[in-house]
Amino acid sequence: AQKITQTQPGMFVQEKEAVTLDCTYDTSDPSYGLFWYKQPSSGEMIFLIYQGSYDQQNATEGRYSLNFQKARKSANLVISASQLGDSAMYFCAMWGSYQLTFGKGTKLSVIP
Amino acid sequence: EAQVTQNPRYLITVTGKKLTVTCSQNMNHEYMSWYRQDPGLGLRQIYYSMNVEVTDKGDVPEGYKVSRKEKRNFPLILESPSPNQTSLYFCASSLSARDRDNQPQHFGDGTRLSIL
Repeated sequence: AQKITQTQPGMFVQEKEAVTLDCTYDTSDPSYGLFWYKQPSSGEMIFLIYQGSYDQQNATEGRYSLNFQKARKSANLVISASQLGDSAMYFCAMWGSYQLTFGKGTKLSVIP
Repeated sequence: EAQVTQNPRYLITVTGKKLTVTCSQNMNHEYMSWYRQDPGLGLRQIYYSMNVEVTDKGDVPEGYKVSRKEKRNFPLILESPSPNQTSLYFCASSLSARDRDNQPQHFGDGTRLSIL
């Protein structure tokens, strides 16, 4: 069974600052994929970034980067230069057994 | 534009009245899936489909049916809706379920169902 843990129910960050959202995972699969999704208050689920378990380098997508530490089983999302539009719920997820297993999410609030 | 389209976006209905939530993708994806999102419970998978005419149960399939007659469509059917099926529903798709690592799942915008 897979498990995703997000220990920060809520986070605040000042506009233009960087913020790290934590995610740890547990799986017995040797090969897996990790994802981050953003869910604004309007409800849609927006794909942000992906990291494969065998990828040598940490994934980056614009202002998003994934700090992947395989030995520690962590896949933290780093958002650089936060913007007001980044205020949303953020979910870490893992692919396996033909489904995405999601964490409980972190609510990020960006302060002007 | 690549997208997953769900309809309706919002629906208020009554117990026992059959309803269908449609899902369509234009990316020729083999894999499609339905999730429901509930406060405190997070997102849970209802059903998934590996390809046309291939469907299987997820974690919470009770009270739901699906079909996959065409590659692009994966409707979710509630034969006799009950209040405990009030939820936010998402359809998702990805290219294939064979490659276990690389699955950027594309989500629809969600359907808010209220069953009175």
